Amino acid sequence: ETGVTQSPTHLIKTRGQQVTLRCSSQSGHNTVSWYQQALGQGPQFIFQYYREEENGRGNFPPRFSGLQFPNYSSELNVNALELDDSALYLCASSFRLAGSYEQYFGPGTRLTVT
Amino acid sequence: GDSVTQMEGPVTLSEEACLTINCTYTATGYPSLFWYVQYPGEGLQLLLKATKADDKGSNKGFEATYRKETTSFHLEKGSVQVSDSAVYFCALMRRLTGYSTLTFGKGTMLLVSP
Repeated sequence: ETGVTQSPTHLIKTRGQQVTLRCSSQSGHNTVSWYQQALGQGPQFIFQYYREEENGRGNFPPRFSGLQFPNYSSELNVNALELDDSALYLCASSFRLAGSYEQYFGPGTRLTVT
Repeated sequence: GDSVTQMEGPVTLSEEACLTINCTYTATGYPSLFWYVQYPGEGLQLLLKATKADDKGSNKGFEATYRKETTSFHLEKGSVQVSDSAVYFCALMRRLTGYSTLTFGKGTMLLVSP
């Protein structure tokens, strides 16, 4: 069974640029969630994708957007990068089934905005 | 809104000492509760969970009991090892309309010395 994978591992961008982060979900999982973890903080929910549609969103501006593909992999796009966007971005996959929403996390992408 | 409060770290222990990391939550309804562990440079790993009041989650010698009357989910281990050194996150999951989301505490760093 393949776990959740993310790419790239590290990324350095300049303020104002755009970035795309990628996530492959665990085998058999159909739902992907993205979280932002600032240094020294717990992860914060950005949004969740199921059946290629965003079906839930946290308190993040529209410049954070995403996609889910037919194979359940996902992308997180961030436009007009700001210094405060520097964080570890975590992807989590799960299998949407009544009573079971356990989420499994990937290793994360460390984004630095300068 | 939902929130999770954890004791501040770092928690510094000698090998074979007893561990307790306090976690309390604020949420409406009956959330599921989780403990995740994050080793240096890695993503989050699910450590244990409990889905209803009085449930006890356990894994790798760690355990936590879902106490609704005190809205707590304290993590305990009878004898810690150096390899347990990591950051531990308490989290609650709410199943909202069409999606689920995890709300995390800020994390508690555990340092175990030989």
